[in-house]
Amino acid sequence: GNSVTQMEGPVTLSEEAFLTINCTYTATGYPSLFWYVQYPGEGLQLLLKATKADDKGSNKGFEATYRKETTSFHLEKGSVQVSDSAVYFCALSAVNFNKFYFGSGTKLNVKP
Amino acid sequence: GAGVSQSPSNKVTEKGKDVELRCDPISGHTALYWYRQRLGQGLEFLIYFQGNSAPDKSGLPSDRFSAERTGESVSTLTIQRTQQEDSAVYLCASSLVAAGSGANVLTFGAGSRLTVL
Repeated sequence: GNSVTQMEGPVTLSEEAFLTINCTYTATGYPSLFWYVQYPGEGLQLLLKATKADDKGSNKGFEATYRKETTSFHLEKGSVQVSDSAVYFCALSAVNFNKFYFGSGTKLNVKP
Repeated sequence: GAGVSQSPSNKVTEKGKDVELRCDPISGHTALYWYRQRLGQGLEFLIYFQGNSAPDKSGLPSDRFSAERTGESVSTLTIQRTQQEDSAVYLCASSLVAAGSGANVLTFGAGSRLTVL
């Protein structure tokens, strides 16, 4: 079956610290992988995506690399800001299936 | 519209009552999804509409749950005889292309928070 597992939060960091949020997946076939972000009081929005192995998605200083050999899509940022405080969701969309599968979300708190 | 609009944003109801949640997708988006998010948990797929095709209802948790969509416009999610375990945020998302495409990206509404007392 298809599923996504991501590290539990909350994650609390100081401003300018390095961020890693782990995400691993199980999928039938070759899925597309996504990170969505939910800022306080807002809906989920796409942060970045990768559609095939070894692709790197990037946006707003965040990066994630599609690793087929380790079935992972870890989110990284070199220097977080207070404005990055949000809940981050890892997700996959399996080819030819209708559903997106989401992880449980990881809350990030960045302190000044 | 400019984004996915959901209403009501908050709904408090008594156990046993029926509730109706509404989703206005982005104009032109053919695909529409409903998800449920219980407190501290991930997104649980409920139902998927794609154009005029038969919807994928495989995620609906019981026959108390139903959803309708007319063409490529508004969708309503109805929960009959609500139970306390139905308390959650109900999220709607729409997409321009069919699922399973690498180009497919979901745009979410802000959600409808349902509390069943």
